[in-house]
Order: sequence, then C-alpha cells, then structure tokens
Amino acid sequence: QVTLKESGPVLVKPTETLTLTCTVSGFSLSNARMGVSWIRQPPGKALEWLAHIFSNDEKSYSTSLKSRLTISKDTSKSQVVLTMTNMDPVDTATYYCARQHSGSFDYWGQGTLVTVSS
Amino acid sequence: SYVLTQPPSVSVAPGQTARITCGGNNIGSKSVHWYQQKPGQAPVLVVFHDIDRPSGIPERFSGSNSGNTATLTISRVEAGDDADYYCQVWDSSSDHPVFGGGTKLTVL
Repeated sequence: QVTLKESGPVLVKPTETLTLTCTVSGFSLSNARMGVSWIRQPPGKALEWLAHIFSNDEKSYSTSLKSRLTISKDTSKSQVVLTMTNMDPVDTATYYCARQHSGSFDYWGQGTLVTVSS
Repeated sequence: SYVLTQPPSVSVAPGQTARITCGGNNIGSKSVHWYQQKPGQAPVLVVFHDIDRPSGIPERFSGSNSGNTATLTISRVEAGDDADYYCQVWDSSSDHPVFGGGTKLTVL
C-alpha cells in the first residue's frame, strides 16, 4: 500500500524558512521511473507545482520559485524534504507531496496547510 | 513555458454528459493526465496517459487528446462528480510538470 504523508509547521513568520518533510511508504525512493514532487494550493486557487526529485537524485524546480527552493531525499528514511526560504503571506497554502510515475501523480499525501503570518 | 488552459466552470444536469477541455499548443503530442479534487481533499488521478483509468475509477470517466485540445468526458454524471478537475502534462522542454488552472464542475 502506497502512502505519502506531509509534516512540518502549520504557522511560519514572514522571512522565515519553511521545512516540510514527506514520508513515503509502499515504494522506494530509488525506484526507477518514479519520483516525488511538491505541489501547493493557496486557499481557493489552483494547483501549483514547486519541485521534483527523480529516483537518480536529479532535481527540477519551478522557474518562478527556483531561487527559494531546495528539494532533497533520504532514501534510507523514505523521506523527501522541501525547504522554502523567505516565506511571505502569499505562500500560505496547502502543501502536498505526490508520487510521480510515468508522468502522472498517482498517489498524493493528504496535504498540510501552512499559514504565513506574524 | 508550456501553458494549459481550462474553462473555469462547467455545469451539467445529473445523468447527462460533462466534457471538460484542456487546451495547449500541440497538446496531442503530449500525454495528458486528469485529476479530480473535492473540497478539503487531495487530488485523485482519474485518467492518465490520455485515455487510461486507474484501478477503481468508474468507466464513466474517459479521456481523449488530439491537436490542441484534450478532453475529459464524464458520462451519466452523478452528484458525487461535483468537484474541481485539473489537467496536467509533463513538459519535456523544461523537464517539469504543468497543471491547468482547473475547472469547477457543478452538477445541477
């Protein structure tokens, strides 16, 4: 059974750095043709892709947010970590991690709502 | 960067057929995936690789893709299909996924 679960702070202050962890089970992060993405959704708005890490540890970032994002993985812990620097209230959103397989996202975490406020 | 365009809303009566479009430049050459998202829930994959359905997704959900438009078709619409729907492709030129802006399907 494949599952993904996001964890991290529910509230961060402006200018702070956000660190989110995605813990996966039911598959290996070294599995070829699979990867994990972080995707966010501001309240009432559309999905926005942020970053992706492939099984070979290659990474890809949203062009508009690249300077603020870092994605990494610890295969032994089955975890994918996203850091986003210099948080702003406009970054308030539900943050999802999702498994990518052959181009689609076949499993998603439940999401974690992060609010940016002083 | 590659852009996917969806209508903001589609309305349909129960039992009728809903068609949700996803426009993109030569999208027919790409593999399109569709997600259903209900309020307060994570998205769920309902169609992948243009026409395939994951296990557990009803046959009422089908997809097509040609030219500059991909379409998600929901036959015999039920009240439970009331949700937001997103299309997605993997843009090979930038090597990252792209989502459409989403379509709110309202079952009247």
